[in-house]
Amino acid sequence: EEQLVESGGGLVQPGGSLRLSCAASGFTFGSHAMNWVRQAPGKGPEWVSYISKGGSTIYYADSVKGRFTISRDNAKNSLYLQMNSLRDEDTAVYYCAREFYDILTGYYEYFFDSWGQGTLVTVSS
Amino acid sequence: DIQMTQSPSTLSASVGDRVTITCRASQSIRSWLAWYQQKPGKAPKILIHKASSLQSGVPSRFSGSGSGTEFTLTISSLQPDDFATYYCQQYNTHWTFGQGTKVEI
Repeated sequence: EEQLVESGGGLVQPGGSLRLSCAASGFTFGSHAMNWVRQAPGKGPEWVSYISKGGSTIYYADSVKGRFTISRDNAKNSLYLQMNSLRDEDTAVYYCAREFYDILTGYYEYFFDSWGQGTLVTVSS
Repeated sequence: DIQMTQSPSTLSASVGDRVTITCRASQSIRSWLAWYQQKPGKAPKILIHKASSLQSGVPSRFSGSGSGTEFTLTISSLQPDDFATYYCQQYNTHWTFGQGTKVEI
């Protein structure tokens, strides 16, 4: 069964740091680009960051640029998000999300076909 | 940045109703649009990609249409399991989600 499981969320004070992890299983992790998406309470999802399958291409939303760092370890089937200088407005459920890639045809498309269950990050004093 | 605007924000409907949700992009996104369904406490689930392609395993009562800046998601006959919040997402230039449409009884 294909699965994405996030961990590392919790309560942190403004200005603090947190590192999120996403463990992948049941599929060829290194064949898929990955993303972090967050959702503040009562709001729609917000894309946070993208990393290509090999890790050479990375993008960030303007709201987190310079504070968050995405990375991956394909040998460990894991995705990470290092979050520094956290602000109240970073409070959200953080999801890792897989980009669609058909390993049989080599076709890929930039929507998210699989998501983890999410991990809650609360930034508060 | 590309902005996505959904309407309505809330939709009241009954089982068996035909339901249509609209999504507008602030600039052309060609057909690079997806629709997701989200239930409370759960992650979004992909329904439609490339504006009108039904994701594998999704019931055929869901359909999508549109291109450029105007898109619609239609549920042909609303089922009890369909009461949820629906989001559109553009992936022409990075990724942006709409604010959501809650389909309630």
